[in-house]
Amino acid sequence: GAVVSQHPSWVICKSGTSVKIECRSLDFQATTMFWYRQFPKQSLMLMATSNEGSKATYEQGVEKDKFLINHASLTLSTLTVTSAHPEDSSFYICSANRDGKEQPQHFGDGTRLSIL
Amino acid sequence: AQSVAQPEDQVNVAEGNPLTVKCTYSVSGNPYLFWYVQYPNRGLQFLLKYITGDNLVKGSYGFEAEFNKSQTSFHLKKPSALVSDSALYFCAVRDMGRDDKIIFGKGTRLHILP
Repeated sequence: GAVVSQHPSWVICKSGTSVKIECRSLDFQATTMFWYRQFPKQSLMLMATSNEGSKATYEQGVEKDKFLINHASLTLSTLTVTSAHPEDSSFYICSANRDGKEQPQHFGDGTRLSIL
Repeated sequence: AQSVAQPEDQVNVAEGNPLTVKCTYSVSGNPYLFWYVQYPNRGLQFLLKYITGDNLVKGSYGFEAEFNKSQTSFHLKKPSALVSDSALYFCAVRDMGRDDKIIFGKGTRLHILP
């Protein structure tokens, strides 16, 4: 079964709205989670590394104030797209590592965000 | 810096034929290599990995991959393709730096023709 749960699956909202996406690790604690963005027919772009109890590490070119990440517990990381605009429309995916660096990451099912 | 390259945007294979999806990597130390598959509007599913040991690794759904150190390749293979194998495939390497993040190739779309 799924080991990482992502919610919601789909979001459609008006421009200017802030949208929160949740990523939960099921039955395990994740000190680190990752947030990706995927454009149509393109690869996953790592946006940031979410660190429990500390600030997220953002990749170059990703706006920290635009994409707020909170990792307040060992099983939950949230990504908030603030004041979303149509260009923020994308597929957002989170992942977590359950069993150490030699093991694969576990991915959520993604969130399709559409800003009107 | 670690990187992976998937030279093919798309691969078309007739059902029942063998398939190969190519991947080459560049790492500074021992590579931790992975293959993932993505179906439409879904997250990624793990197929197989190479950490150490036998160069031929077997994974889910009948897939396998061969680690070739001299050619720095980790091609994904399957002896007999199924239509249900049609999906987007990603090769990945783990960056053994501070955050152990995964670096993905651009992906290869596999079309299995009935």
